Amino acid sequence: SYVLTQPPSVSVAPGQTARITCGGNNIGSKSIHWYQQKPGKAPVLVVHDDSDRPSGIPERFSGSNSGTTATLTISRVEAGDEADYYCQVAESGIDLYVVFGGGTKLTVL
Amino acid sequence: QVQLQESGPGLVKPSETLSLTCTVSDDSISSGSYYWDWIRQAPGKGLEWIGAIYDSGSTYYNPSLKTRVTISVDTSKNQFSLRLTSVSAVDTAVYFCARRPAGCSSTSCLPFDFWGQGTLVAVSS
Repeated sequence: SYVLTQPPSVSVAPGQTARITCGGNNIGSKSIHWYQQKPGKAPVLVVHDDSDRPSGIPERFSGSNSGTTATLTISRVEAGDEADYYCQVAESGIDLYVVFGGGTKLTVL
Repeated sequence: QVQLQESGPGLVKPSETLSLTCTVSDDSISSGSYYWDWIRQAPGKGLEWIGAIYDSGSTYYNPSLKTRVTISVDTSKNQFSLRLTSVSAVDTAVYFCARRPAGCSSTSCLPFDFWGQGTLVAVSS
């Protein structure tokens, strides 16, 4: 089955830029979605289809995807951005499957 | 906007069957426009997809859980359900239900747009 690999943790100072990566075989050919999850809450979609933002998500959140790595970029990081972030892909072919990355804990220093 | 709410026992004994229901409000589960999924998260761990059902009754399961999982739908109650048999401590988790639009391109499918708040199920004697 398809595997998405994320670093367990990323740390960044307020006001700086955080980059969270998601690796996978030929991931650039797939559409990747990113979720933010705060403690005790359900995940919230922050970027879909590699680089699109749902309504209500700040422009500080952006995404890219090429080759073997997709990246979620959070500019001008704020304390409220501290959370777990998950990449996700879903495909349909002979069968349908959904895969999540292992998650990255973003710590705002 | 649509709301999803999980319900079911918070404690299940080892080797027994875990049963949860997701009640959908302000949307028809039989609209034909969405997949209805179950996802779980063990304490301190990441998200794990369990499976999905489409309004026609087509089901899709995580291969690692396929032999123990059944997802079904009750359109009269606007609910879908999860059954997980032969549970053990590793099945202790917060279980989420979620909605995912049914569009898929040649490369990928759409993301989850609405989630339930999640319900903790502990497996213990």
